[in-house]
Amino acid sequence: KNEVEQSPQNLTAQEGEFITINCSYSVGISALHWLQQHPGGGIVSLFMLSSGKKKHGRLIATINIQEKHSSLHITASHPRDSAVYICAVQYNFNKFYFGSGTKLNVKP
Amino acid sequence: KAGVTQTPRYLIKTRGQQVTLSCSPISGHRSVSWYQQTPGQGLQFLFEYFSETQRNKGNFPGRFSGRQFSNSRSEMNVSTLELGDSALYLCASRSTGAEQYFGPGTRLTVT
Repeated sequence: KNEVEQSPQNLTAQEGEFITINCSYSVGISALHWLQQHPGGGIVSLFMLSSGKKKHGRLIATINIQEKHSSLHITASHPRDSAVYICAVQYNFNKFYFGSGTKLNVKP
Repeated sequence: KAGVTQTPRYLIKTRGQQVTLSCSPISGHRSVSWYQQTPGQGLQFLFEYFSETQRNKGNFPGRFSGRQFSNSRSEMNVSTLELGDSALYLCASRSTGAEQYFGPGTRLTVT
């Protein structure tokens, strides 16, 4: 059973558009992570959240603990943002469950 | 600081064989986690080691095992390989309470 639901699965945007990727989970967590994976496999951790909102450059991540929901926003999207974005929930003792990923393609 | 390194990067094995993959964490990181990524199942948690002790384990059969050494380097072993074990195996290291840093992965193909 996948305990993490991520949407959309695929997303195509024009350069400059505002993008939102959503993640929902079913039970209480200790933290939520947003990961970015480029073709070739390398994964980079973008954010680790336990409450509220974080911002890094054009990326913003929010989490609503009561609603068990998180969003990743990309402002002024660029073709170099094209990647797979993965939501991961962390339970006690560092056990992780992952969403199925959102494949983002930003066209110039 | 050097990043997380994994060796080998690519590996081809035959059904029934066993394989050992290695992961060297970022200096000072005591936690090392292993993950399997396949097109069908996505990313799945295998296990986590901290200070040479397995702290947590995912839902994988006993053929999958690991260990961590006193220098925090970790190995994972898969015995009696099956075709379904073909995957990208990723390790990640972290310091307590912080985000994870992923290695480049080992792509295992079982024929």
